[in-house]
Amino acid sequence: AQSVAQPEDQVNVAEGNPLTVKCTYSVSGNPYLFWYVQYPNRGLQFLLKYITGDNLVKGSYGFEAEFNKSQTSFHLKKPSALVSDSALYFCAVRPTGSARQLTFGSGTQLTVLP
Amino acid sequence: GAGVSQSPSNKVTEKGKDVELRCDPISGHTALYWYRQRLGQGLEFLIYFQGNSAPDKSGLPSDRFSAERTGESVSTLTIQRTQQEDSAVYLCASSTAGDLYEQYFGPGTRLTVT
Repeated sequence: AQSVAQPEDQVNVAEGNPLTVKCTYSVSGNPYLFWYVQYPNRGLQFLLKYITGDNLVKGSYGFEAEFNKSQTSFHLKKPSALVSDSALYFCAVRPTGSARQLTFGSGTQLTVLP
Repeated sequence: GAGVSQSPSNKVTEKGKDVELRCDPISGHTALYWYRQRLGQGLEFLIYFQGNSAPDKSGLPSDRFSAERTGESVSTLTIQRTQQEDSAVYLCASSTAGDLYEQYFGPGTRLTVT
């Protein structure tokens, strides 16, 4: 069975600084990897996904993520954080060839301080 | 276009009552998923519908939970004899066919069992 770990419940960063939200995964075979963001009282919004190809994936709102197969990681990054990036971020995984449910991490609360 | 919609947005019910939650997926999306998000936790998969195939009910926590979907449109999640531990946000997501596609989430229904 697949699993996702987000080791940090909370990440604080100053506005304008780079941010990283960590994610590691465990899955049989090759993974499809996703990042979602959840703003207060709203549903999850898709940010980006890794399917195959280039290990650096670019997504919405200036976010990017780097797939590292040897470290089984898919960390979310942004070069310069904005206060409006403050939200709850979820990493998710699905095995290749499966159109079924995503397995989510427990989420990381990102706070960008002005 | 219109996204995934869910109703009601909030539901307060007494322990022991039955509740029905509704999801309207994005038009043309053949796959539909239900997840549960307890306070401060990640998403738990409940059930998955894909076209006319038999649903994957492997995530339903007990026989008090059931879900139906009419064709490739509306789905209802029913919880019978609600318990306090059923209190959570129930999220619906839909996607197009195939395993490459991300899931689009609705805003959720916040269920509170008193």
